[in-house]
Amino acid sequence: NAGVTQTPKFQVLKTGQSMTLQCAQDMNHNSMYWYRQDPGMGLRLIYYSASEGTTDKGEVPNGYNVSRLNKREFSLRLESAAPSQTSVYFCASIGSEGVQETQYFGPGTRLLVL
Amino acid sequence: KNQVEQSPQSLIILEGKNCTLQCNYTVSPFSNLRWYKQDTGRGPVSLTIMTFSENTKSNGRYTATLDADTKQSSLHITASQLSDSASYICVVRGGGADGLTFGKGTHLIIQP
Repeated sequence: NAGVTQTPKFQVLKTGQSMTLQCAQDMNHNSMYWYRQDPGMGLRLIYYSASEGTTDKGEVPNGYNVSRLNKREFSLRLESAAPSQTSVYFCASIGSEGVQETQYFGPGTRLLVL
Repeated sequence: KNQVEQSPQSLIILEGKNCTLQCNYTVSPFSNLRWYKQDTGRGPVSLTIMTFSENTKSNGRYTATLDADTKQSSLHITASQLSDSASYICVVRGGGADGLTFGKGTHLIIQP
């Protein structure tokens, strides 16, 4: 099991450029999430997908779009990058293990927008 | 408003000492409370998950407590090691768009 994987690990963009952050999980989880983490702000939810075919906005969705391509993959797209989107992006999934549910995070994508 | 407040923001202790991190929440309805450890440059990793009926849960040298009446939780680290240097994040399920409310974390530094 690779768990939650993210690509790329690092990316530098110029203002106005677009890019897609990829996320995949091999744990057969239904729920997947995209967060951004900024210094002093903690993790903030951008979008989430409770199941294949559904997506919902989180706390900070402006400037982003998502696609739940299938049960494994959940991508995050920046159509026109802005310096305010410089951040570390984490993908996560939640699965039930017995009576407990555990959230697994990917290693993160570090994005710098110039 | 659903909120999770953690204290202190940062903490420096000597290797081998114990420490306790605090988490207060106002999330309602409450489902469970999690503590995560996040090493620098990595994603958070789950340490413990506690439901309403659980007062204490341990994971090695980490012990989490939950007082659902006062809406407080603590994470106690015993005999700290250099590898405990990390951010510790408290998360409560029961609020937010997706049902999860995150604290901002406590940054812990263990000095030799």
